[in-house]
Amino acid sequence: GDSVTQMEGPVTLSEEAFLTINCTYTATGYPSLFWYVQYPGEGLQLLLKATKADDKGSNKGFEATYRKETTSFHLEKGSVQVSDSAVYFCALSDRGRGSTLGRLYFGRGTQLTVWP
Amino acid sequence: ETGVTQSPTHLIKTRGQQVTLRCSSQSGHNTVSWYQQALGQGPQFIFQYYREEENGRGNFPPRFSGLQFPNYSSELNVNALELDDSALYLCASSMFRDGTEAFFGQGTRLTVV
Repeated sequence: GDSVTQMEGPVTLSEEAFLTINCTYTATGYPSLFWYVQYPGEGLQLLLKATKADDKGSNKGFEATYRKETTSFHLEKGSVQVSDSAVYFCALSDRGRGSTLGRLYFGRGTQLTVWP
Repeated sequence: ETGVTQSPTHLIKTRGQQVTLRCSSQSGHNTVSWYQQALGQGPQFIFQYYREEENGRGNFPPRFSGLQFPNYSSELNVNALELDDSALYLCASSMFRDGTEAFFGQGTRLTVV
C-alpha cells in the first residue's frame, strides 16, 4: 500500500544553518506530495506541495522537488530561523489513481529545533 | 488561520464512555476528513464525508462513526472508549470531493483515563 518514510528526528540546528529533511514514498500511480508543518499545540498547516514529477514546491524559503526516479520529496531550506522550530510531516495523496477518495498518508514527523 | 474550527479543544473521558467531537468546515468546503494523531506519530486517516455521505474509511473499528450535516459541518463519535484512543483528533475540510488540498483545524486533544 501507499506509505511515506521520513528521516527520524529530532533535528537540532543553529540559526542560519542549512536544513534537509529526507522523505521517500511508496505509491502505485501518480500521487501528489506535500509537506505539512505543526507548531506546538496547533493543527497542521500546508507548507508546500507538488503534484507531478519534477515539480518543485516552495514557500517561506522552504523547497522540495518531486523526484519520481528516486521516489523522494526532500525538504530543504538554506537558512533556518528560530521561528522554524516545529514538527514537519511529509505526506502523499493517492488522488492520482482516479479514486474519489484522496486520503493523505503521513510520515511519522520530524521535530526540528533551531537555536539562536 | 484556516477557518476550520474544532470543539472542544481538550477533553478527558473515562474508559468505556462515549465522546462526540465537532468540526466546522471552511466556507465553501463540502468534504470533511478526520484523522487521529497519536503522540509522536503522523496522522492516520479515519474517514471522509462528502455531501453528508461517507466517502471512504481507514482501518478503524465501527465504534468510530461520523456524521456530516447539510451545512457541511461534521461530528466524530467514538463509543466504548479505550485508553489507546487518547490522541489528537484532526478535522480537515476541502472543496474537492477527493479531500485533497485540505485545510486542517487545530485539533481536539482527547485523553482517556
